[in-house]
Amino acid sequence: DQQVKQNSPSLSVQEGRISILNCDYTNSMFDYFLWYKKYPAEGPTFLISISSIKDKNEDGRFTVFLNKSAKHLSLHIVPSQPGDSAVYFCAAKGAAGNKLTFGGGTRVLVKP
Amino acid sequence: GAVVSQHPSWVICKSGTSVKIECRSLDFQATTMFWYRQFPKQSLMLMATSNEGSKATYEQGVEKDKFLINHASLTLSTLTVTSAHPEDSSFYICSASHRGRDTQYFGPGTRLTVL
Repeated sequence: DQQVKQNSPSLSVQEGRISILNCDYTNSMFDYFLWYKKYPAEGPTFLISISSIKDKNEDGRFTVFLNKSAKHLSLHIVPSQPGDSAVYFCAAKGAAGNKLTFGGGTRVLVKP
Repeated sequence: GAVVSQHPSWVICKSGTSVKIECRSLDFQATTMFWYRQFPKQSLMLMATSNEGSKATYEQGVEKDKFLINHASLTLSTLTVTSAHPEDSSFYICSASHRGRDTQYFGPGTRLTVL
């Protein structure tokens, strides 16, 4: 039972355009959501997070949107840069405990 | 800030031997450390959670006698893969978080290959 899903395994976008990554979850007890970026053979790098009491959080080129009623979050990267090419994972945490549940990842390719 | 290191970055061992992987938080005190495993083209799967000074909590299906975890200090956790077999070959990643903080910071990972 996958509680966190990233339905798009890959995404290709032109440099300078917006990248939109989507993530859906099923567990209504999740109250904190994070996005990580991962290069091959490296550990994930924290990008941005959002608490369930908010619907938007912005940090530079990265903005995360949360729609609790739809159990959906998205990450917007604008403008996209070639260095953004990586695998992006969304993760969710429940109110009890601090375990993260990860989605399957979306591979982003930014073309120059 | 929030730097986590792992050592070694890669290791090749013979079947039946044990391998120890270290995870260190370099600039903060990690009250909780996590160990994940990632198989090729798959997501990160949590293996266990360890709190400093207490026994690790293992996820369902993870053998605690095979994957020994020690979290002896606020900056160091170790994962020992005992009697490693080829099916244990994977990418092992640790993460750390500080008390009261929700964000986990990940180490660079360790590639284990068991021949």
